[in-house]
Amino acid sequence: DGGITQSPKYLFRKEGQNVTLSCEQNLNHDAMYWYRQDPGQGLRLIYYSQIVNDFQKGDIAEGYSVSREKKESFPLTVTSAQKNPTAFYLCASSTFGQGNRNIQYFGAGTRLSVL
Amino acid sequence: AQTVTQSQPEMSVQEAETVTLSCTYDTSENNYYLFWYKQPPSRQMILVIRQEAYKQQNATENRFSVNFQKAAKSFSLKISDSQLGDTAMYFCAFTPTGAGSYQLTFGKGTKLSVIP
Repeated sequence: DGGITQSPKYLFRKEGQNVTLSCEQNLNHDAMYWYRQDPGQGLRLIYYSQIVNDFQKGDIAEGYSVSREKKESFPLTVTSAQKNPTAFYLCASSTFGQGNRNIQYFGAGTRLSVL
Repeated sequence: AQTVTQSQPEMSVQEAETVTLSCTYDTSENNYYLFWYKQPPSRQMILVIRQEAYKQQNATENRFSVNFQKAAKSFSLKISDSQLGDTAMYFCAFTPTGAGSYQLTFGKGTKLSVIP
């Protein structure tokens, strides 16, 4: 089945620790995105990537880093510089194809908590 | 910059009844897409319906339909014959269609409860 896989489902971070959230897609989509969701808030864009080896900052990129070495994969690292990392993180992807462009499909999310 | 506003933090509806969720947006773009996404308790985001701004006809997907008023920058979602499985957070989202424009701007959501 085609889709977007995020892992792990739950993640705990200790003070001063970097953690990496995985996002893999087999939809052959060019673009991938990371969003953060806090209670009572909509989704806020952290980073996005339109092609391999290229990515752009979103609205709340501070304290996060990403890489895009493969089309299928877009991991997000939450660094120790992110002082309030507790949130629900969603990965999405979309195609450039006419008609379906701009439709973003989402993974099941990762819940990150601070110990 | 685009903004999306959902003015109803919470709503409830009796099973089998109809409910309308409101969304307004602000943009200087002329061509764009609008979306409604559903996030059930599982927290998986699911696309409900999409509207292209250049199309005057309102989009419909089974029990879900929209009322798109471009001049008023309004994009409401109507759910007919509400079912228990419709209980979820609903998010309105916007994206321009210009080259290189792929970002979605989301509203803060409306929590819908369907009551048996």
